[in-house]
Amino acid sequence: GQNIDQPTEMTATEGAIVQINCTYQTSGFNGLFWYQQHAGEAPTFLSYNVLDGLEEKGRFSSFLSRSKGYSYLLLKELQMKDSASYLCAGMDSNYQLIWGAGTKLIIKP
Amino acid sequence: GAVVSQHPSRVICKSGTSVKIECRSLDFQATTMFWYRQFPKKSLMLMATSNEGSKATYEQGVEKDKFLINHASLTLSTLTVTSAHPEDSSFYICSARVTRPAETQYFGPGTRLLVL
Repeated sequence: GQNIDQPTEMTATEGAIVQINCTYQTSGFNGLFWYQQHAGEAPTFLSYNVLDGLEEKGRFSSFLSRSKGYSYLLLKELQMKDSASYLCAGMDSNYQLIWGAGTKLIIKP
Repeated sequence: GAVVSQHPSRVICKSGTSVKIECRSLDFQATTMFWYRQFPKKSLMLMATSNEGSKATYEQGVEKDKFLINHASLTLSTLTVTSAHPEDSSFYICSARVTRPAETQYFGPGTRLLVL
């Protein structure tokens, strides 16, 4: 079956670094996505990895290991506005996104 | 990035009425659009895949006669919730598939439906 696992909730301090892990099992693989979703809003695209390694984009970085079925999203220099849910999604062979339940990130001052 | 709009953003209707939600890709053409439903504090649930010029593909458990999808042009897909009931109240989100420069989906802002 297809499955995406990520922690339900994480807490971090403003200015710190946090890593959100995700493990995936999909039928075929066409990439791993991370989206940010603020409460009451639709998800917004953060990153896409299809090859192994680290992709850096400003304060956010995403890593993929296809052999391990593992990805993480790294957020640096945390700001209060980063408080949101972070959704991990794997794209299967039909180009459909298989969604994790999301990780709620709470930033404390 | 690509922009997807959704209209209306919020709708309240009486039980038994039908509601149409529009999803538009504003600056690109989308052969494929997706319709999702999201319950509070839950992940997105794919309802159907909408392909321009052909019938939508519905996920298991989603009633195609209840949730009518039309993708008549490369920039517009519509979801009609027919004979809405309170249990249909939810957050409905569409997304458009983009393949260049890379495969991804861009989401509309969502439509919050409340059926009284």
